[in-house]
Amino acid sequence: AQKVTQAQTEISVVEKEDVTLDCVYETRDTTYYLFWYKQPPSGELVFLIRRNSFDEQNEISGRYSWNFQKSTSSFNFTITASQVVDSAVYFCALFNSGYSTLTFGKGTMLLVSP
Amino acid sequence: DVKVTQSSRYLVKRTGEKVFLECVQDMDHENMFWYRQDPGLGLRLIYFSYDVKMKEKGDIPEGYSVSREKKERFSLILESASTNQTSMYLCASSPPPGRGITEAFFGQGTRLTVV
Repeated sequence: AQKVTQAQTEISVVEKEDVTLDCVYETRDTTYYLFWYKQPPSGELVFLIRRNSFDEQNEISGRYSWNFQKSTSSFNFTITASQVVDSAVYFCALFNSGYSTLTFGKGTMLLVSP
Repeated sequence: DVKVTQSSRYLVKRTGEKVFLECVQDMDHENMFWYRQDPGLGLRLIYFSYDVKMKEKGDIPEGYSVSREKKERFSLILESASTNQTSMYLCASSPPPGRGITEAFFGQGTRLTVV
């Protein structure tokens, strides 16, 4: 069975701080895909990134960066110089190849105060 | 702009009522999904569908059914609403893996309260 663990339930930071959201996954698939989604207060899940298991290169997109480490089954997400607009719930998810569904972690609520 | 649209943002229903949550997507996606989101539990899959008239149970199908009569529309049905079905419901769609693994697109959610 597949599993995604986001151990941090809630994180509070002050604007301009860097913050890392942790994600640990379990899967028996040799090829797999991981995702991060952002859910702002409006409710809609917004796609941030997709990473496949055979590409371990870390990725940076503006203030966002992702660290994929197969050896520790982790796919962590870092926001540099956080802003109030980054306040949201962030979900890590694992693609289930057999069913084309996503298994989500429980989410991490990030609160960025001015 | 790709769109998944859920018919209601907020809904209040009485215990025992039959409730329909509607979802429409305009991306010609084969796959559609219904999740419920509860604090501390994340998103849990209720039902999904690979094509018209097809449905598969997810992790928590009890108390729910679905209908997919047209490719673009996927309905979630609560046959007899109960207070423990008070939750946020999220619809999503995605193309089949044959087109490459892409992200699922989500609607804005329906916050259902059963009183």
